[in-house]
Amino acid sequence: GENVEQHPSTLSVQEGDSAVIKCTYSDSASNYFPWYKQELGKRPQLIIDIRSNVGEKKDQRIAVTLNKTAKHFSLHITETQPEDSAVYFCAATSNFGNEKLTFGTGTRLTIIP
Amino acid sequence: NAGVMQNPRHLVRRRGQEARLRCSPMKGHSHVYWYRQLPEEGLKFMVYLQKENIIDESGMPKERFSAEFPKEGPSILRIQQVVRGDSAAYFCASSPRERSYGYTFGSGTRLTVV
Repeated sequence: GENVEQHPSTLSVQEGDSAVIKCTYSDSASNYFPWYKQELGKRPQLIIDIRSNVGEKKDQRIAVTLNKTAKHFSLHITETQPEDSAVYFCAATSNFGNEKLTFGTGTRLTIIP
Repeated sequence: NAGVMQNPRHLVRRRGQEARLRCSPMKGHSHVYWYRQLPEEGLKFMVYLQKENIIDESGMPKERFSAEFPKEGPSILRIQQVVRGDSAAYFCASSPRERSYGYTFGSGTRLTVV
Protein backbone atom coordinates (compact mmCIF):
# COMPACT_ATOMS: atom_id res chain seq x y z
CA GLY A 1 0.00 0.00 0.00
CA GLU A 2 0.82 3.66 -0.06
CA ASN A 3 3.35 5.11 2.37
CA VAL A 4 3.69 8.86 2.90
CA GLU A 5 6.62 10.40 4.72
CA GLN A 6 6.57 14.00 5.89
CA HIS A 7 9.37 16.31 7.01
CA PRO A 8 10.12 18.12 9.18
CA SER A 9 8.06 17.07 12.17
CA THR A 10 8.41 20.52 13.72
CA LEU A 11 9.18 23.85 12.10
CA SER A 12 9.57 27.30 13.60
CA VAL A 13 9.83 30.38 11.40
CA GLN A 14 9.83 34.10 12.02
CA GLU A 15 6.66 35.90 11.12
CA GLY A 16 6.89 37.08 7.56
CA ASP A 17 9.33 34.38 6.49
CA SER A 18 8.46 31.39 4.32
CA ALA A 19 7.80 27.84 5.46
CA VAL A 20 8.27 24.70 3.40
CA ILE A 21 7.00 21.23 4.28
CA LYS A 22 7.97 18.22 2.18
CA CYS A 23 6.34 14.85 1.61
CA THR A 24 7.29 11.77 -0.35
CA TYR A 25 5.00 8.96 -1.43
CA SER A 26 5.66 5.42 -2.54
CA ASP A 27 2.78 4.44 -4.82
CA SER A 28 3.33 5.68 -8.37
CA ALA A 29 -0.40 5.25 -8.98
CA SER A 30 -1.23 8.05 -6.53
CA ASN A 31 -2.81 10.94 -8.39
CA TYR A 32 -4.30 13.28 -5.81
CA PHE A 33 -2.42 15.08 -3.05
CA PRO A 34 -4.31 17.24 -0.53
CA TRP A 35 -2.89 19.26 2.34
CA TYR A 36 -4.76 19.72 5.60
CA LYS A 37 -4.33 22.21 8.41
CA GLN A 38 -5.35 21.16 11.90
CA GLU A 39 -5.51 23.56 14.80
CA LEU A 40 -5.41 22.22 18.33
CA GLY A 41 -8.55 20.29 19.16
CA LYS A 42 -10.14 20.99 15.80
CA ARG A 43 -10.85 19.04 12.66
CA PRO A 44 -8.46 18.84 9.72
CA GLN A 45 -9.31 21.43 7.10
CA LEU A 46 -8.38 21.17 3.45
CA ILE A 47 -6.22 24.13 2.49
CA ILE A 48 -4.96 23.18 -0.95
CA ASP A 49 -4.72 20.15 -3.18
CA ILE A 50 -3.05 19.12 -6.41
CA ARG A 51 -3.73 16.46 -9.01
CA SER A 52 -1.07 14.49 -10.78
CA ASN A 53 -1.55 16.24 -14.11
CA VAL A 54 -0.42 19.55 -12.60
CA GLY A 55 3.05 20.48 -11.39
CA GLU A 56 2.20 23.49 -9.27
CA LYS A 57 -0.83 25.20 -7.79
CA LYS A 58 -1.06 28.46 -5.91
CA ASP A 59 -3.72 30.05 -3.74
CA GLN A 60 -2.71 33.42 -2.33
CA ARG A 61 0.11 32.75 0.18
CA ILE A 62 -0.05 28.98 -0.18
CA ALA A 63 1.42 26.91 -3.00
CA VAL A 64 1.97 23.24 -3.62
CA THR A 65 4.45 21.67 -6.02
CA LEU A 66 4.48 18.10 -7.27
CA ASN A 67 7.35 16.13 -8.77
CA LYS A 68 5.87 12.88 -10.07
CA THR A 69 9.21 11.50 -11.18
CA ALA A 70 10.74 11.86 -7.75
CA LYS A 71 7.40 11.12 -6.03
CA HIS A 72 7.48 14.10 -3.76
CA PHE A 73 5.33 17.14 -3.17
CA SER A 74 5.78 20.22 -1.05
CA LEU A 75 3.72 22.89 0.67
CA HIS A 76 5.01 26.45 0.57
CA ILE A 77 3.61 29.19 2.80
CA THR A 78 4.91 32.68 2.15
CA GLU A 79 4.65 35.79 4.35
CA THR A 80 3.74 33.65 7.31
CA GLN A 81 1.40 35.01 9.95
CA PRO A 82 0.72 33.91 13.56
CA GLU A 83 -2.58 32.32 12.48
CA ASP A 84 -0.60 29.94 10.26
CA SER A 85 0.58 28.17 13.43
CA ALA A 86 -0.97 24.68 13.34
CA VAL A 87 -0.20 21.08 12.42
CA TYR A 88 -0.10 20.45 8.69
CA PHE A 89 -0.70 17.05 7.13
CA CYS A 90 0.00 15.93 3.60
CA ALA A 91 -1.88 13.01 2.09
CA ALA A 92 -2.02 10.91 -1.05
CA THR A 93 -4.54 8.70 -2.77
CA SER A 94 -4.74 6.83 -6.04
CA ASN A 95 -8.31 7.20 -7.13
CA PHE A 96 -9.28 10.84 -7.37
CA GLY A 97 -9.74 11.07 -3.63
CA ASN A 98 -12.69 8.77 -3.30
CA GLU A 99 -10.64 6.03 -1.73
CA LYS A 100 -8.68 6.14 1.45
CA LEU A 101 -6.24 8.92 2.02
CA THR A 102 -2.84 7.97 3.38
CA PHE A 103 -1.63 10.76 5.62
CA GLY A 104 1.84 11.88 6.56
CA THR A 105 2.73 12.13 10.22
CA GLY A 106 2.28 15.88 10.36
CA THR A 107 4.39 19.00 10.77
CA ARG A 108 3.86 21.28 13.73
CA LEU A 109 4.44 24.79 12.39
CA THR A 110 5.06 27.60 14.85
CA ILE A 111 5.20 31.19 13.68
CA ILE A 112 7.34 33.34 15.94
CA PRO A 113 6.01 36.91 16.20
CA ASN B 1 -25.65 24.09 4.48
CA ALA B 2 -24.57 22.10 7.53
CA GLY B 3 -21.24 20.40 7.30
CA VAL B 4 -20.42 16.89 8.35
CA MET B 5 -21.98 16.43 11.78
CA GLN B 6 -20.50 14.12 14.35
CA ASN B 7 -21.79 13.35 17.78
CA PRO B 8 -21.06 13.17 20.51
CA ARG B 9 -18.11 15.57 20.50
CA HIS B 10 -16.69 13.94 23.61
CA LEU B 11 -17.36 10.45 24.88
CA VAL B 12 -16.05 8.83 28.03
CA ARG B 13 -16.34 5.09 28.43
CA ARG B 14 -15.07 2.65 31.02
CA ARG B 15 -13.03 -0.29 29.85
CA GLY B 16 -15.32 -3.03 28.58
CA GLN B 17 -18.19 -0.74 27.63
CA GLU B 18 -19.41 -0.05 24.12
CA ALA B 19 -18.87 3.19 22.24
CA ARG B 20 -21.14 4.37 19.43
CA LEU B 21 -20.00 7.25 17.28
CA ARG B 22 -22.36 8.88 14.83
CA CYS B 23 -21.69 10.73 11.60
CA SER B 24 -24.20 12.54 9.42
CA PRO B 25 -22.66 13.42 6.05
CA MET B 26 -23.18 16.69 4.26
CA LYS B 27 -26.48 16.98 2.46
CA GLY B 28 -26.32 15.13 -0.82
CA HIS B 29 -23.20 13.17 0.13
CA SER B 30 -23.52 9.42 -0.12
CA HIS B 31 -19.96 8.39 0.75
CA VAL B 32 -18.57 8.31 4.28
CA TYR B 33 -15.07 7.67 5.56
CA TRP B 34 -13.89 7.09 9.12
CA TYR B 35 -10.41 7.95 10.34
CA ARG B 36 -8.75 7.59 13.72
CA GLN B 37 -6.19 10.00 15.12
CA LEU B 38 -4.14 8.96 18.10
CA PRO B 39 -2.66 11.77 20.23
CA GLU B 40 0.20 13.55 18.46
CA GLU B 41 -0.20 11.37 15.37
CA GLY B 42 -1.64 11.59 11.88
CA LEU B 43 -4.96 10.28 10.71
CA LYS B 44 -5.29 6.60 9.92
CA PHE B 45 -7.95 5.32 7.54
CA MET B 46 -10.42 2.89 9.04
CA VAL B 47 -13.37 2.32 6.70
CA TYR B 48 -15.12 3.65 3.61
CA LEU B 49 -18.87 3.20 3.21
CA GLN B 50 -21.66 4.00 0.86
CA LYS B 51 -25.25 3.69 1.95
CA GLU B 52 -25.91 0.06 2.94
CA ASN B 53 -22.52 -1.00 1.64
CA ILE B 54 -18.99 -1.27 3.02
CA ILE B 55 -16.55 -0.46 0.22
CA ASP B 56 -13.21 -0.73 2.02
CA GLU B 57 -12.64 -1.78 5.61
CA SER B 58 -8.95 -2.51 5.29
CA GLY B 59 -8.09 -0.15 8.14
CA MET B 60 -10.55 -1.55 10.65
CA PRO B 61 -9.23 -3.71 13.48
CA LYS B 62 -10.44 -7.26 12.97
CA GLU B 63 -12.16 -7.46 16.33
CA ARG B 64 -14.48 -5.20 18.33
CA PHE B 65 -14.88 -2.57 15.60
CA SER B 66 -17.75 -2.35 13.13
CA ALA B 67 -19.28 0.33 10.94
CA GLU B 68 -22.52 0.81 9.09
CA PHE B 69 -24.20 3.41 6.94
CA PRO B 70 -27.90 2.52 6.71
CA LYS B 71 -30.31 3.70 4.07
CA GLU B 72 -31.79 6.12 6.57
CA GLY B 73 -29.90 7.84 9.36
CA PRO B 74 -26.28 8.51 10.18
CA SER B 75 -23.25 6.30 9.78
CA ILE B 76 -22.32 4.53 13.00
CA LEU B 77 -18.87 3.44 14.14
CA ARG B 78 -19.24 0.94 16.94
CA ILE B 79 -16.48 -0.16 19.27
CA GLN B 80 -17.28 -3.03 21.58
CA GLN B 81 -15.48 -3.77 24.85
CA VAL B 82 -13.35 -0.64 24.64
CA VAL B 83 -9.78 -0.64 25.92
CA ARG B 84 -7.48 2.24 26.86
CA GLY B 85 -5.76 2.02 23.48
CA ASP B 86 -9.02 2.98 21.77
CA SER B 87 -8.73 6.48 23.24
CA ALA B 88 -8.39 8.74 20.23
CA ALA B 89 -10.15 11.28 18.07
CA TYR B 90 -12.38 9.68 15.46
CA PHE B 91 -13.08 11.78 12.42
CA CYS B 92 -15.69 11.20 9.78
CA ALA B 93 -15.53 12.66 6.27
CA SER B 94 -17.97 12.65 3.40
CA SER B 95 -17.96 13.15 -0.35
CA PRO B 96 -20.79 13.51 -2.84
CA ARG B 97 -20.03 10.69 -5.22
CA GLU B 98 -17.56 8.08 -6.22
CA ARG B 99 -15.22 10.34 -8.13
CA SER B 100 -14.72 13.55 -6.28
CA TYR B 101 -11.89 15.59 -4.91
CA GLY B 102 -11.41 16.68 -1.35
CA TYR B 103 -12.90 15.33 1.82
CA THR B 104 -14.85 17.46 4.26
CA PHE B 105 -14.17 16.31 7.78
CA GLY B 106 -16.50 16.56 10.71
CA SER B 107 -15.40 18.00 14.04
CA GLY B 108 -14.62 14.57 15.39
CA THR B 109 -15.52 12.53 18.46
CA ARG B 110 -12.91 12.41 21.16
CA LEU B 111 -13.18 9.07 22.89
CA THR B 112 -11.58 8.65 26.28
CA VAL B 113 -11.49 5.21 27.84
CA VAL B 114 -10.98 5.23 31.60
